[in-house]
Amino acid sequence: KQEVTQIPAALSVPEGENLVLNCSFTDSAIYNLQWFRQDPGKGLTSLLLIQSSQREQTSGRLNASLDKSSGRSTLYIAASQPGDSATYLCAASSNDYKLSFGAGTTVTVRA
Amino acid sequence: NAGVMQNPRHLVRRRGQEARLRCSPMKGHSHVYWYRQLPEEGLKFMVYLQKENIIDESGMPKERFSAEFPKEGPSILRIQQVVRGDSAAYFCASSPQFDGGAAAFFGPGTRLTVL
Repeated sequence: KQEVTQIPAALSVPEGENLVLNCSFTDSAIYNLQWFRQDPGKGLTSLLLIQSSQREQTSGRLNASLDKSSGRSTLYIAASQPGDSATYLCAASSNDYKLSFGAGTTVTVRA
Repeated sequence: NAGVMQNPRHLVRRRGQEARLRCSPMKGHSHVYWYRQLPEEGLKFMVYLQKENIIDESGMPKERFSAEFPKEGPSILRIQQVVRGDSAAYFCASSPQFDGGAAAFFGPGTRLTVL
């Protein structure tokens, strides 16, 4: 059974600082790994999807890395902005449809 | 192309009542997935459905919960005789026929409160 852990549970940084969010998973036989953003009372927005054969994905200020051997993924957000304040969820897929989610890291970027 | 739609967005029920949550997938999507998010916890997979078929219900509680995705109309997650522990956010996701659900699109969720 896949277990996904995200540390820290909450993070507060001043605007402009780079963010580093960590995700660990117990079963390295993953199909892919995704990072989502969740705003209060809203649904999930997919940010980055890393296939199992890939080491990283980038989109704008976001970069996510994947190390299957150590069971870790890291999401980097460069030059954080107040609009980046949200909960970030990591999800590992052990097949082509079922996602195992972490509890999330709640980020607050102070202006 | 409208996204995944869920209704109602908020639902309040008293203990023992029934809750029906509806999910309309994105246009052209024939695969639907339901997840539950309990307070302070991550989302947990509940069930995977295709039109008129339940593919994987390994995450569904054995009693009181059922799901369907008829040939016509939305997918329905039904909870009978609700208890306070059912209070949670229920998210639906959908994906195209020839794509993996791991790249599915999520709806805004239905927040169920049981009094």
